[in-house]
Amino acid sequence: EAQVTQNPRYLITVTGKKLTVTCSQNMNHEYMSWYRQDPGLGLRQIYYSMNVEVTDKGDVPEGYKVSRKEKRNFPLILESPSPNQTSLYFCASSFSGRAYEQYFGPGTRLTVT
Amino acid sequence: EDQVTQSPEALRLQEGESSSLNCSYTVSGLRGLFWYRQDPGKGPEFLFTLYSAGEEKEKERLKATLTKKESFLHITAPKPEDSATYLCAVQWNFNKFYFGSGTKLNVKP
Repeated sequence: EAQVTQNPRYLITVTGKKLTVTCSQNMNHEYMSWYRQDPGLGLRQIYYSMNVEVTDKGDVPEGYKVSRKEKRNFPLILESPSPNQTSLYFCASSFSGRAYEQYFGPGTRLTVT
Repeated sequence: EDQVTQSPEALRLQEGESSSLNCSYTVSGLRGLFWYRQDPGKGPEFLFTLYSAGEEKEKERLKATLTKKESFLHITAPKPEDSATYLCAVQWNFNKFYFGSGTKLNVKP
């Protein structure tokens, strides 16, 4: 089954404790992206990757890191989480082409206390 | 400055009552405009891509249209299972995306 998986689905952590949210896709997609979704603000792009070892900032990259060492995986790293990073996070992937029809993962709900 | 604005924020319809959702955008260099459906507790699900003004796409009871500065999602004779949040997104600058905050549709039987 074609899918994007994220782990964990739910996470409660404390300020400053480094964490990683994993994202994996099995569709051989070149493009992968991370978003956060907050009430009233919609989905905002954090980082994206065009292919292995190629990443770039989205609209709200501060406080986040990413890496793309393998085509299928695109982890999101919060090195020192803060309460304002409490949010619902989505990973997405697509083929690159004229326009990118993204497939989304199920989401990771993160709470930073 | 909002790049993508969706209206209304919420819409309540009776089953069979047709209506339209609006998405207006201000980005230049549009590469594509997308509509997604999001059910509670799930990730967005792709519906349509529109590339240029005048283009239309249809799927079951949904029809998406695009002008130079806005897109409409027309819902014809909706059913309760069409209840969801509908998201509009624009792709610009080749690789970046802006999403609207969505329209929450509730279809009552």
